[in-house]
Amino acid sequence: EAGVTQSPTHLIKTRGQQATLRCSPISGHTSVYWYQQALGLGLQFLLWYDEGEERNRGNFPPRFSGRQFPNYSSELNVNALELEDSALYLCASSSGQHWSNEKLFFGSGTQLSVL
Amino acid sequence: GDSVTQMEGPVTLSEEAFLTINCTYTATGYPSLFWYVQYPGEGLQLLLKATKADDKGSNKGFEATYRKETTSFHLEKGSVQVSDSAVYFCALNPLDGNNRLAFGKGNQVVVIP
Repeated sequence: EAGVTQSPTHLIKTRGQQATLRCSPISGHTSVYWYQQALGLGLQFLLWYDEGEERNRGNFPPRFSGRQFPNYSSELNVNALELEDSALYLCASSSGQHWSNEKLFFGSGTQLSVL
Repeated sequence: GDSVTQMEGPVTLSEEAFLTINCTYTATGYPSLFWYVQYPGEGLQLLLKATKADDKGSNKGFEATYRKETTSFHLEKGSVQVSDSAVYFCALNPLDGNNRLAFGKGNQVVVIP
């Protein structure tokens, strides 16, 4: 069974451009989460999607947005890129909303570099 | 708000040494606690978890006990191997319905043969 897959693996952009990151959850998982892993800052929660709807959002500006498609895959869009957006973006999936005892499965991430 | 604090800096130790990584948390309720591990070039994997006070999570020789009185969830392993070299993250789920994990900053562990 395939795990969580993310594309692209690496993405290089310049300031002011837009970046689109993609994530495919594990088959059967309906929840997708996005995290930013910036150097020295640990993982910061970005967004949670479930059943096609945004359920929760972290403390990030509106230029960070996303969506979840009917097949539960997800896109993260970052507009007007800034240098400090350079980070590893991790996607994770789980099988439902009430996951206090469930595992969260992570992809290998997209390394975004903003020059 | 809910947060997790891990000890600062990387950890370097010799093979078969004892490993401890400290983790303390701040939460208003009764969170679930987790340790995740990130091997080089890979995503995070759940290592172990504990869902209530005095629970002990264990996996692959690693252990951590949920200590409510000290708000801690320290990770230990009695004899590390080179293959344990990775970044270790402590995390909590506040179980407030927002499904948001709060992570510590992570600790790089390097095991030398």
